Amino acid sequence: GAGVSQTPSNKVTEKGKYVELRCDPISGHTALYWYRQSLGQGPEFLIYFQGTGAADDSGLPNDRFFAVRPEGSVSTLKIQRTERGDSAVYLCASSLSRGRYEQYFGPGTRLTVT
Amino acid sequence: QQQVKQSPQSLIVQKGGISIINCAYENTAFDYFPWYQQFPGKGPALLIAIRPDVSEKKEGRFTISFNKSAKQFSLHIMDSQPGDSATYFCAASRDDKIIFGKGTRLHILP
Repeated sequence: GAGVSQTPSNKVTEKGKYVELRCDPISGHTALYWYRQSLGQGPEFLIYFQGTGAADDSGLPNDRFFAVRPEGSVSTLKIQRTERGDSAVYLCASSLSRGRYEQYFGPGTRLTVT
Repeated sequence: QQQVKQSPQSLIVQKGGISIINCAYENTAFDYFPWYQQFPGKGPALLIAIRPDVSEKKEGRFTISFNKSAKQFSLHIMDSQPGDSATYFCAASRDDKIIFGKGTRLHILP
């Protein structure tokens, strides 16, 4: 079956602009996670959803970052007033449900802020 | 504070050899320890995972050894192949949040 998909695969934006990154989880997976991976580092947890609600958003670095999952499937990560330090690969993962630890990752969106 | 420490940062192994990557963790509340494999331009892929009530888990050429008292665990790749060349991440999890190590870049010489 189809895996986790993310769009766009690459996004270049200017400092100060607003961006949206989209994640389509594996069909039937109710838990969805966002991570950020900087060059040469491991993924860093940002937020996770169980259904439509954010169960844990403790990894969001500041209030410029926001994520939604209005219908419990597709999720959008939104970054306002982008900064050069936001440049990274943003990864999305999904799992069958909360407590089922096998998380399956998408290919990521490479965000470059110039 | 780095909750999951991984070593070495990079590793070169001859084809057919054993690749060993080590990790240590701080938080005894972690209850799930996965290893992920990542190829350039791809997302991490779950390779093998273990829970702390088990000391060893083997799947094909991949084995996790887990030492709960020392708060350490390791990945062994037997008969390493050039196709195993990738970056490997150890991780620890509790309450659905995965904490990753910084990764080990493994290169298998043909």
